[in-house]
Amino acid sequence: GQQVMQIPQYQHVQEGEDFTTYCNSSTTLSNIQWYKQRPGGHPVFLIQLVKSGEVKKQKRLTFQFGEAKKNSSLHITATQTTDVGTYFCAGRGTGYALNFGKGTSLLVTP
Amino acid sequence: DTAVSQTPKYLVTQMGNDKSIKCEQNLGHDTMYWYKQDSKKFLKIMFSYNNKELIINETVPNRFSPKSPDKAHLNLHINSLELGDSAVYFCASSQVLNYEQYFGPGTRLTVT
Repeated sequence: GQQVMQIPQYQHVQEGEDFTTYCNSSTTLSNIQWYKQRPGGHPVFLIQLVKSGEVKKQKRLTFQFGEAKKNSSLHITATQTTDVGTYFCAGRGTGYALNFGKGTSLLVTP
Repeated sequence: DTAVSQTPKYLVTQMGNDKSIKCEQNLGHDTMYWYKQDSKKFLKIMFSYNNKELIINETVPNRFSPKSPDKAHLNLHINSLELGDSAVYFCASSQVLNYEQYFGPGTRLTVT
């Protein structure tokens, strides 16, 4: 079945450094979503990308969807301690199910 | 007001028991989901209901049975619990299938 691979699994940065997580699919995705889960919390929707090559920004967060709609990235500029958590991408291929990547856990030290 | 609520928040039980987790959403959404998150934080879709109709049924043991009495509720019943069922179970809802999903707070199930 369709798999969504996400790297890195963990990332530890100093506050103020940038952070990027990458998501790759073996098949073309109809859309991709990003979620953030704080420690002990539940996933919270961040954004959905639908168009090939789409780029969306939310303050210090930049989301990209690849031209072939098989990959996506989330980039955080100048991380803050409030960015700590696990970031998940989730993609849908031709089927109904939204498949989640395994997540990237971000730790930010002040 | 809580958008997606789950009960109980914690559930500790012994192997072989049967248990249920309840989920309710007050967002007026048509679609509801159950996810399992294991100790490594991997989120796996289990079931999805759209307008009370089962849409997604991933490879889940028959011991797991979802029930949707109405669009606002999706309950999960688990028979003959096993150690491997220990995980956090999240309920979620969305206005349309696979659009922006709102997750409940989760139910941490521990099977001893």
